[in-house]
Amino acid sequence: DVKVTQSSRYLVKRTGEKVFLECVQDMDHENMFWYRQDPGLGLRLIYFSYDVKMKEKGDIPEGYSVSREKKERFSLILESASTNQTSMYLCATRQGYYEQYFGPGTRLTVT
Amino acid sequence: AQSVTQLGSHVSVSEGALVLLRCNYSSSVPPYLFWYVQYPNQGLQLLLKYTSAATLVKGINGFEAEFKKSETSFHLTKPSAHMRDAAEYFCAVSDPEGSQGNLIFGKGTKLSVKP
Repeated sequence: DVKVTQSSRYLVKRTGEKVFLECVQDMDHENMFWYRQDPGLGLRLIYFSYDVKMKEKGDIPEGYSVSREKKERFSLILESASTNQTSMYLCATRQGYYEQYFGPGTRLTVT
Repeated sequence: AQSVTQLGSHVSVSEGALVLLRCNYSSSVPPYLFWYVQYPNQGLQLLLKYTSAATLVKGINGFEAEFKKSETSFHLTKPSAHMRDAAEYFCAVSDPEGSQGNLIFGKGTKLSVKP
């Protein structure tokens, strides 16, 4: 079974802090994704990566950056957290054009 | 551009009743289609997928979905709802001939099951 883990299930940060969300997968998948999920808005793609050191902007990249130094790890960075970044963050992996596998999510609250 | 429409953000059924969650897609080529389920405070879990084999697809937990090209639909059904089916359900589509084939998700349908 594919396993996708995220560094924290719940996180509380203050406005202006730098926040790191980490995602690790154990299936050697090429593609990794970061989404945020908000009520009524569904899943929105922030960034994705199809190879080590490669990254592509998704639909809502503003205020976020990513890092992929190793194939199994994909980090999402909030350079200066703001209250409108309070959300559920979901990491996913994928091989080819088939299904995506999701981590358990990180519920981030910025106060 | 591809899109996915899920009709009804909330659906409520009684325990034992039929579950029908609707999904329509727009795609110029035969797509790959997926249904995911999300329980509270968890990630998304794959229920079933269509990848151009049989048009009637069976998934986990007694769910199934039928790909209807003429209607551009991929509705999710379950004959008899259980309380444990209460969750949010997402339909997703990908274009297997697209440059990256990223999944496009619908906005989700929250299913409530009444005792």
